[in-house]
Amino acid sequence: EVQLVESGGLVVQPGGSLRLSCAASGFTFADYTMLWVRQPPGKGLEWISLITWDGGITYYADSVQGRFTISRDNSKNSLYLQMNSLRAEDTALYYCVKGPAYYLDVWGKGTTVTVSS
Amino acid sequence: EIVLTQSPGTLSLSPGERATLSCRASQSIGTNYLAWYQQKPGQPPRLLIYGAFSRATGIPDRFSGSGSGTDFTLTISRLEPEDSAVYYCQQCDDSEVNTFGQGTRLEIK
Repeated sequence: EVQLVESGGLVVQPGGSLRLSCAASGFTFADYTMLWVRQPPGKGLEWISLITWDGGITYYADSVQGRFTISRDNSKNSLYLQMNSLRAEDTALYYCVKGPAYYLDVWGKGTTVTVSS
Repeated sequence: EIVLTQSPGTLSLSPGERATLSCRASQSIGTNYLAWYQQKPGQPPRLLIYGAFSRATGIPDRFSGSGSGTDFTLTISRLEPEDSAVYYCQQCDDSEVNTFGQGTRLEIK
Protein backbone atom coordinates (compact mmCIF):
# COMPACT_ATOMS: atom_id res chain seq x y z
CA GLU A 1 0.00 0.00 0.00
CA VAL A 2 1.31 3.42 -0.97
CA GLN A 3 1.51 5.51 2.19
CA LEU A 4 2.88 8.77 3.55
CA VAL A 5 2.99 9.34 7.30
CA GLU A 6 3.88 12.75 8.69
CA SER A 7 5.19 13.42 12.17
CA GLY A 8 6.73 16.18 14.23
CA GLY A 9 3.85 18.60 14.56
CA LEU A 10 3.73 20.41 17.91
CA VAL A 11 2.72 23.57 19.69
CA VAL A 12 5.63 25.99 19.40
CA GLN A 13 6.17 29.61 20.41
CA PRO A 14 6.52 32.38 17.83
CA GLY A 15 10.11 32.56 16.66
CA GLY A 16 10.68 28.92 17.41
CA SER A 17 11.76 26.04 15.20
CA LEU A 18 10.35 22.66 14.29
CA ARG A 19 11.29 19.79 12.01
CA LEU A 20 8.60 17.80 10.28
CA SER A 21 9.23 14.33 8.91
CA CYS A 22 7.40 12.18 6.39
CA ALA A 23 7.92 8.44 6.07
CA ALA A 24 7.11 7.00 2.66
CA SER A 25 6.30 3.39 1.84
CA GLY A 26 4.80 1.32 -0.95
CA PHE A 27 6.54 3.07 -3.84
CA THR A 28 10.07 3.86 -5.03
CA PHE A 29 10.53 7.07 -3.07
CA ALA A 30 13.75 8.02 -4.83
CA ASP A 31 11.96 8.23 -8.19
CA TYR A 32 9.58 11.01 -7.23
CA THR A 33 9.40 14.72 -6.64
CA MET A 34 7.93 15.40 -3.19
CA LEU A 35 6.04 18.39 -1.82
CA TRP A 36 4.74 19.95 1.37
CA VAL A 37 1.27 21.53 1.31
CA ARG A 38 -0.37 23.15 4.30
CA GLN A 39 -3.91 24.02 5.30
CA PRO A 40 -4.67 26.56 8.03
CA PRO A 41 -7.67 25.70 10.20
CA GLY A 42 -10.88 26.16 8.22
CA LYS A 43 -9.05 27.50 5.18
CA GLY A 44 -7.81 26.33 1.79
CA LEU A 45 -4.69 24.60 0.56
CA GLU A 46 -1.33 26.33 0.24
CA TRP A 47 1.65 24.80 -1.51
CA ILE A 48 4.81 25.66 0.39
CA SER A 49 7.72 23.62 -0.96
CA LEU A 50 8.91 21.08 -3.50
CA ILE A 51 12.05 18.96 -3.89
CA THR A 52 13.09 16.98 -6.95
CA TRP A 53 13.82 13.26 -6.83
CA ASP A 54 17.50 13.68 -6.08
CA GLY A 55 17.21 16.72 -3.86
CA GLY A 56 19.04 18.76 -6.47
CA ILE A 57 16.32 21.37 -6.96
CA THR A 58 14.06 22.92 -4.35
CA TYR A 59 11.34 25.53 -4.62
CA TYR A 60 9.51 27.52 -1.96
CA ALA A 61 6.45 29.69 -1.70
CA ASP A 62 7.22 33.33 -0.96
CA SER A 63 5.50 32.99 2.41
CA VAL A 64 8.17 30.58 3.69
CA GLN A 65 11.21 31.43 1.56
CA GLY A 66 14.25 31.92 3.76
CA ARG A 67 12.60 30.38 6.84
CA PHE A 68 11.78 26.82 5.77
CA THR A 69 14.08 24.20 4.26
CA ILE A 70 12.93 21.05 2.50
CA SER A 71 15.21 18.02 2.32
CA ARG A 72 15.08 14.29 1.75
CA ASP A 73 16.98 11.12 2.54
CA ASN A 74 16.30 8.58 -0.18
CA SER A 75 18.15 5.87 1.77
CA LYS A 76 15.55 6.26 4.53
CA ASN A 77 12.52 6.93 2.28
CA SER A 78 12.00 10.14 4.20
CA LEU A 79 11.10 13.75 3.50
CA TYR A 80 11.74 16.61 5.91
CA LEU A 81 10.73 20.21 6.47
CA GLN A 82 12.87 22.36 8.75
CA MET A 83 10.80 25.30 9.91
CA ASN A 84 12.53 28.29 11.54
CA SER A 85 11.34 31.70 12.72
CA LEU A 86 7.81 30.38 13.03
CA ARG A 87 4.92 32.82 12.98
CA ALA A 88 1.29 32.59 14.06
CA GLU A 89 0.29 32.42 10.39
CA ASP A 90 2.28 29.20 10.00
CA THR A 91 -0.34 27.44 12.14
CA ALA A 92 -1.76 24.72 9.90
CA LEU A 93 -2.11 21.07 9.06
CA TYR A 94 0.98 20.13 7.06
CA TYR A 95 0.63 17.48 4.35
CA CYS A 96 3.40 15.47 2.76
CA VAL A 97 2.52 14.85 -0.89
CA LYS A 98 3.93 12.63 -3.62
CA GLY A 99 4.56 14.28 -6.99
CA PRO A 100 5.09 14.91 -9.81
CA ALA A 101 4.08 18.49 -9.17
CA TYR A 102 1.27 18.37 -11.74
CA TYR A 103 -0.17 15.11 -10.39
CA LEU A 104 -0.45 15.02 -6.59
CA ASP A 105 -1.86 11.52 -6.26
CA VAL A 106 -0.79 10.50 -2.75
CA TRP A 107 -1.28 12.61 0.37
CA GLY A 108 -0.50 11.85 3.97
CA LYS A 109 -3.04 12.49 6.71
CA GLY A 110 -1.07 15.52 7.89
CA THR A 111 0.60 16.73 11.07
CA THR A 112 -0.59 19.78 12.99
CA VAL A 113 1.67 22.71 13.74
CA THR A 114 0.41 25.36 16.15
CA VAL A 115 2.39 28.54 16.69
CA SER A 116 1.22 30.24 19.84
CA SER A 117 2.59 31.79 22.97
CA GLU B 1 2.81 34.00 -9.69
CA ILE B 2 -0.26 32.55 -11.37
CA VAL B 3 -3.41 33.15 -9.35
CA LEU B 4 -6.34 30.75 -9.64
CA THR B 5 -9.83 32.07 -8.95
CA GLN B 6 -12.60 29.53 -8.42
CA SER B 7 -16.30 30.19 -8.73
CA PRO B 8 -18.81 29.97 -7.31
CA GLY B 9 -17.69 29.99 -3.69
CA THR B 10 -20.53 27.71 -2.68
CA LEU B 11 -22.84 25.61 -4.79
CA SER B 12 -25.98 23.94 -3.48
CA LEU B 13 -27.61 21.33 -5.71
CA SER B 14 -29.84 18.27 -5.47
CA PRO B 15 -28.94 14.64 -6.12
CA GLY B 16 -29.07 13.82 -9.82
CA GLU B 17 -28.30 17.38 -10.93
CA ARG B 18 -25.16 18.55 -12.72
CA ALA B 19 -22.51 20.70 -11.05
CA THR B 20 -20.27 23.04 -13.00
CA LEU B 21 -17.25 24.43 -11.16
CA SER B 22 -15.02 27.09 -12.69
CA CYS B 23 -11.31 27.80 -12.28
CA ARG B 24 -9.87 30.91 -13.93
CA ALA B 25 -6.13 31.57 -14.12
CA SER B 26 -4.49 34.99 -14.12
CA GLN B 27 -2.40 33.90 -17.11
CA SER B 28 -2.46 31.05 -19.58
CA ILE B 29 -1.63 27.57 -18.28
CA GLY B 30 -0.60 24.57 -20.29
CA THR B 31 -3.28 21.91 -19.99
CA ASN B 32 -0.75 19.42 -18.64
CA TYR B 33 -0.45 21.54 -15.52
CA LEU B 34 -4.05 21.88 -14.32
CA ALA B 35 -5.54 19.44 -11.81
CA TRP B 36 -8.65 19.15 -9.64
CA TYR B 37 -8.94 17.76 -6.11
CA GLN B 38 -11.81 16.82 -3.83
CA GLN B 39 -11.55 17.26 -0.07
CA LYS B 40 -14.07 15.95 2.44
CA PRO B 41 -14.06 17.05 6.10
CA GLY B 42 -11.26 15.50 8.12
CA GLN B 43 -9.63 13.94 5.06
CA PRO B 44 -6.69 14.90 2.85
CA PRO B 45 -7.44 16.01 -0.70
CA ARG B 46 -7.97 13.37 -3.36
CA LEU B 47 -6.80 13.78 -6.94
CA LEU B 48 -9.75 13.76 -9.35
CA ILE B 49 -8.51 15.18 -12.65
CA TYR B 50 -5.02 15.81 -14.00
CA GLY B 51 -3.84 17.30 -17.25
CA ALA B 52 -7.12 19.27 -17.30
CA PHE B 53 -9.07 16.29 -18.77
CA SER B 54 -7.77 12.96 -17.49
CA ARG B 55 -9.47 11.16 -14.61
CA ALA B 56 -7.23 9.78 -11.90
CA THR B 57 -7.34 6.09 -11.03
CA GLY B 58 -10.65 5.01 -9.54
CA ILE B 59 -12.51 8.26 -10.25
CA PRO B 60 -15.99 7.62 -11.67
CA ASP B 61 -16.81 8.94 -15.12
CA ARG B 62 -19.38 11.31 -13.60
CA PHE B 63 -16.38 13.59 -13.05
CA SER B 64 -14.97 15.34 -16.11
CA GLY B 65 -12.60 18.20 -16.76
CA SER B 66 -12.41 20.61 -19.65
CA GLY B 67 -10.93 23.93 -20.67
CA SER B 68 -7.72 25.52 -21.85
CA GLY B 69 -5.70 28.69 -21.58
CA THR B 70 -7.09 30.57 -18.60
CA ASP B 71 -10.52 28.93 -18.19
CA PHE B 72 -11.05 25.45 -16.84
CA THR B 73 -14.13 23.58 -15.68
CA LEU B 74 -14.87 20.59 -13.49
CA THR B 75 -18.24 19.02 -14.25
CA ILE B 76 -19.92 16.50 -12.00
CA SER B 77 -22.92 14.91 -13.65
CA ARG B 78 -25.62 12.99 -11.79
CA LEU B 79 -24.69 14.29 -8.34
CA GLU B 80 -24.70 11.86 -5.45
CA PRO B 81 -24.81 12.73 -1.72
CA GLU B 82 -21.18 11.65 -1.27
CA ASP B 83 -20.07 14.37 -3.70
CA SER B 84 -20.51 16.93 -0.92
CA ALA B 85 -17.00 18.33 -0.48
CA VAL B 86 -14.71 21.23 -1.22
CA TYR B 87 -13.14 21.15 -4.68
CA TYR B 88 -9.81 22.78 -5.48
CA CYS B 89 -8.06 23.43 -8.76
CA GLN B 90 -4.27 23.48 -8.82
CA GLN B 91 -1.67 24.58 -11.33
CA CYS B 92 2.03 23.93 -11.72
CA ASP B 93 3.64 26.30 -14.15
CA ASP B 94 6.96 25.72 -15.91
CA SER B 95 9.01 26.68 -12.89
CA GLU B 96 7.21 24.07 -10.83
CA VAL B 97 5.64 26.60 -8.52
CA ASN B 98 2.28 25.30 -7.49
CA THR B 99 -0.77 27.32 -6.60
CA PHE B 100 -4.25 26.26 -5.54
CA GLY B 101 -7.54 28.01 -6.06
CA GLN B 102 -9.44 29.06 -2.96
CA GLY B 103 -11.94 26.21 -3.36
CA THR B 104 -15.61 25.71 -4.18
CA ARG B 105 -17.84 24.16 -1.54
CA LEU B 106 -20.42 21.82 -3.04
CA GLU B 107 -23.45 21.01 -0.92
CA ILE B 108 -25.88 18.29 -1.91
CA LYS B 109 -29.33 19.17 -0.59
